[in-house]
Amino acid sequence: ETGVTQSPTHLIKTRGQQVTLRCSSQSGHNTVSWYQQALGQGPQFIFQYYREEENGRGNFPPRFSGLQFPNYSSELNVNALELDDSALYLCASSLGRGNYEQYFGPGTRLTVT
Amino acid sequence: QKEVEQNSGPLSVPEGAIASLNCTYSDRGSQSFFWYRQYSGKSPELIMSIYSNGDKEDGRFTAQLNKASQYVSLLIRDSQPSDSATYLCAANLFSGAGSYQLTFGKGTKLSVIP
Repeated sequence: ETGVTQSPTHLIKTRGQQVTLRCSSQSGHNTVSWYQQALGQGPQFIFQYYREEENGRGNFPPRFSGLQFPNYSSELNVNALELDDSALYLCASSLGRGNYEQYFGPGTRLTVT
Repeated sequence: QKEVEQNSGPLSVPEGAIASLNCTYSDRGSQSFFWYRQYSGKSPELIMSIYSNGDKEDGRFTAQLNKASQYVSLLIRDSQPSDSATYLCAANLFSGAGSYQLTFGKGTKLSVIP
């Protein structure tokens, strides 16, 4: 069974740029959720994708957007990067959009300078 | 504002002792609860899930849930230095249209002293 994978591992961007982060869900999982984790904080829910549609969104501005593909992999796009966007971005997959356990990938460390 | 609260620690226990980690949540609609372990620089790893009141045991770990008191705890028996990590408590809340949203606490840092 393949676990959740994410790419890239680390990324450095300049303020104002755009970034795309990628996630492949665990085998058999059709739901992907994205989280932002600032240093010393718990993960904050950004949004969830189920069957290629956004299925819930946290308190993040529209410049955070996403996609889910037919193979259930997903992308997180962030436009107009700000310094405060520097964080660990985590993708988690689950069996469905219901009350299921979520399993995290290794994360992408984004640094905005 | 739906919140999950944890004591940030650090919580220090000697090797072989029981570590007790606590968590409270604000939304009574929360339906399930999870404990994740996060080593420094790594991503969270699911170690326990609990869906109903009472205790759930898995090896050295016991999760306890009291929905009336809105309280969740994690006990780690025979603590080992390898248990030293930050422990995140999370509550899963139905947010409409078939969607569940996982809300995390800030985590409790546990240090097991050899």
